[in-house]
Amino acid sequence: NAGVTQTPKFRVLKTGQSMTLLCAQDMNHEYMYWYRQDPGMGLRLIHYSVGEGTTAKGEVPDGYNVSRLKKQNFLLGLESAAPSQTSVYFCASSPWTGENPEQYFGPGTRLTVT
Amino acid sequence: GESVGLHLPTLSVQEGDNSIINCAYSNSASDYFIWYKQESGKGPQFIIDIRSNMDKRQGQRVTVLLNKTVKHLSLQIAATQPGDSAVYFCAEIVGGYQKVTFGIGTKLQVIP
Repeated sequence: NAGVTQTPKFRVLKTGQSMTLLCAQDMNHEYMYWYRQDPGMGLRLIHYSVGEGTTAKGEVPDGYNVSRLKKQNFLLGLESAAPSQTSVYFCASSPWTGENPEQYFGPGTRLTVT
Repeated sequence: GESVGLHLPTLSVQEGDNSIINCAYSNSASDYFIWYKQESGKGPQFIIDIRSNMDKRQGQRVTVLLNKTVKHLSLQIAATQPGDSAVYFCAEIVGGYQKVTFGIGTKLQVIP
């Protein structure tokens, strides 16, 4: 059971370039999330999904797009990277049965935009 | 806006002592509160949660206390060990599970 995995682990982009971050979970969780973590600001929700084929905006969605074509995968896309998107990105999943609010996090992707 | 915050950004404790990490929140409508531990270079890891209708919950070496009167949450770690060194942050869930707000974190340093 790998839990939540993220690829890549590190990436450097130039301003204007695009990329996709992949998140995969093998726990059959319905809910998946993308967060960014910046120094002194904690985790901020970018987008989330409550099931296959559904996505919704979080707190800071601008400049990002997501897709959840398969239940186990949640993709985060940057169409035109900007230096302000330099951050550590975390994916998380949750079963959210109504009793267990725990989110399971991946190891993170460190992205630098120059 | 309403947010989750922490009183102390850094906490240093002697190995074997008890640690207390505090969190203030301002939204009385929160349904759940969660404590996470994040070690350097890793993703956050769930420690313990507490429903808004409870005031105390215990886990293995950890206890979370919730004081709704003053909107305060604390995490107590008994017999702190070097492996407890990490950033701890609280999170609150408001109005459905999608709305999770995280605090900025407290760094716990354990002195051997």
